[in-house]
Order: sequence, then structure tokens, then C-alpha cells
Amino acid sequence: RKEVEQDPGPFNVPEGATVAFNCTYSNSASQSFFWYRQDCRKEPKLLMSVYSSGNEDGRFTAQLNRASQYISLLIRDSKLSDSATYLCVVNKGSNYQLIWGAGTKLIIKP
Amino acid sequence: DTGVSQDPRHKITKRGQNVTFRCDPISEHNRLYWYRQTLGQGPEFLTYFQNEAQLEKSRLLSDRFSAERPKGSFSTLEIQRTEQGDSAMYLCASSLGGDSPPYGYTFGSGTRLTVV
Repeated sequence: RKEVEQDPGPFNVPEGATVAFNCTYSNSASQSFFWYRQDCRKEPKLLMSVYSSGNEDGRFTAQLNRASQYISLLIRDSKLSDSATYLCVVNKGSNYQLIWGAGTKLIIKP
Repeated sequence: DTGVSQDPRHKITKRGQNVTFRCDPISEHNRLYWYRQTLGQGPEFLTYFQNEAQLEKSRLLSDRFSAERPKGSFSTLEIQRTEQGDSAMYLCASSLGGDSPPYGYTFGSGTRLTVV
């Protein structure tokens, strides 16, 4: 079993739709959680950190369920520019090494 | 430019040759990481430096791979006797260390290696 698992994708959704990404992690000692965005042939860029209380940044909402070892990312009112691969990232418990999911590709269609 | 820079952006090499990549982190960041990413996968951890000390190496880092950060600033990653399986994007990232929670890395644009 992979340490971080994401929906395989791709997700094809119309512009303006709401899309949700799911991620599970296996290491219960994990302490920090992130969502990164990666455009084609570019480096990953931090989208948002994920906190136990849940957090929101504009159209993006991230949630963490420690009991279920589950992380989610919700994008509301999706834009064409949201098309990218979204990577779920988990700290391995040692505060420096991050474990990455394989990513879920999102394609927003006009 | 205050970001993480990597050089070269692209490298094509023949199997069996040695290659070296360079990473210049954000100047105030004391932690530096090397990752490898293949198509359709997330980045895989290779190694990590805190200042000039190499504190962890993944088992992915075979004896053909070596990384250095001699003065705690820039880092180099060398691959000896390259194999076709080494073809990937090599990503460097840096972050601030300390007791604060990690707020994620800043990545460089990567070096794309193609071994032919």
C-alpha cells in the first residue's frame, strides 16, 4: 500500500463546477499536510497547508480528518486556470521529509 | 531573483556518462532537498541537507548517486554511469528549519534528465 494515495483521475469537469479531491495517508504519526499544484512540465507549487480545523482560501477549502487519516481539497466555481495536477503531501513525522501522492489531474472544460 | 534556481534546465546524456546538476536555494533557507519525479508520479525523496550536513539519504539513492552541499549554500547532485532508468525530473527544494511547523517547500524549476 502506498503511503499517500489519491484519486487516480483525470477529472474532467465543466467550468463553474465544484470538484473535490480525496487523499488518504498511512502513517498515523504524520504531523503536517499540504496540497500542491503542479502545471504540466513545471515544478510543484504550494497551494495550501491543511489544518485540523479545516481552512479556506478563496475558492479552495482543505479539510483534515486525523481519525480516518483522510485529507480533502474542494474547489468551488472552478476556472479554466485551475487545470493542473493536484498533489497531496504528508509530512512523515520527522518535520523535514515529505511524502507525495501521485497526484490527480484536473481538466476544466469551457 | 530570490527563488530556488537549478542548472541546467535540461540535460541529454548517453548511457554510461556522468552528469552533475546544481541547485542554489533561497539564501536564508538552511534546509535543502533533492527529489526525483517521473511521469505520472509525485516527487520521490532522494536526500536532505541541513546546512552542509547530509542528514538522510533514501535507499533510492544508489551508490551511483552522490550529493554535496560543501558550504551550506548551493548543492550538487552527481549521477555516475547513467542508466536509462535515471531519466526523470530532478527537483531541488529548500525550506527554513527550526522548531516551527514546516510550511512546505519552495521548489526550483527542476532539471529534466534524458538518458539515451
